[in-house]
Amino acid sequence: SQKIEQNSEALNIQEGKTATLTCNYTNYSPAYLQWYRQDPGRGPVFLLLIRENEKEKRKERLKVTFDTTLKQSLFHITASQPADSATYLCALAYGSSNTGKLIFGQGTTLQVKP
Amino acid sequence: DAGVIQSPRHEVTEMGQEVTLRCKPISGHNSLFWYRQTMMRGLELLIYFNNNVPIDDSGMPEDRFSAKMPNASFSTLKIQPSEPRDSAVYFCASSFREAGTDTQYFGPGTRLTVL
Repeated sequence: SQKIEQNSEALNIQEGKTATLTCNYTNYSPAYLQWYRQDPGRGPVFLLLIRENEKEKRKERLKVTFDTTLKQSLFHITASQPADSATYLCALAYGSSNTGKLIFGQGTTLQVKP
Repeated sequence: DAGVIQSPRHEVTEMGQEVTLRCKPISGHNSLFWYRQTMMRGLELLIYFNNNVPIDDSGMPEDRFSAKMPNASFSTLKIQPSEPRDSAVYFCASSFREAGTDTQYFGPGTRLTVL
């Protein structure tokens, strides 16, 4: 069965450093992958989408890579700030690109210390 | 834009009672998703609709759970009878279907506690 793994341990970094979060998957060939941010007591919020034929995507201080050979996506936040502290979820498109169905990872909690 | 609206935000009920969760998707969106989130299992898809039609309900845990979408602006998730293991945060999300994307917009969630 399909499996998505994100580092369950919290990631603690110092303000100004680059945070790197990992999303690995098995038994899967997703058409695209998304990253979401979730703050306590709130629903996930979409950040970035990257398609299977794209290697890298950027948005302001965020960067996502997608390696379909390694079956891995990396999510980077450069010049991190305490306001970036949250849980980050990766989500993979399930089946063909036309279903709209996503499978979510468990999420990794990021804590940026001032 | 008001975003996805869910009600109630919190629900405490006793085992055996019926629980109904409500969702109003973003206007113009044609897909709607119901998720359940727990610490143990993370965010799980329960069911989703395209153009008000249920497409995949394979995530619905058992017959006690049912979902409806009578029109494009309203959906319900019902649990009858409720059990303590149903305690979780239930999210509704909506999206506008177009091939190759499908960004989902989540509501604030309903925290359900079954005693």
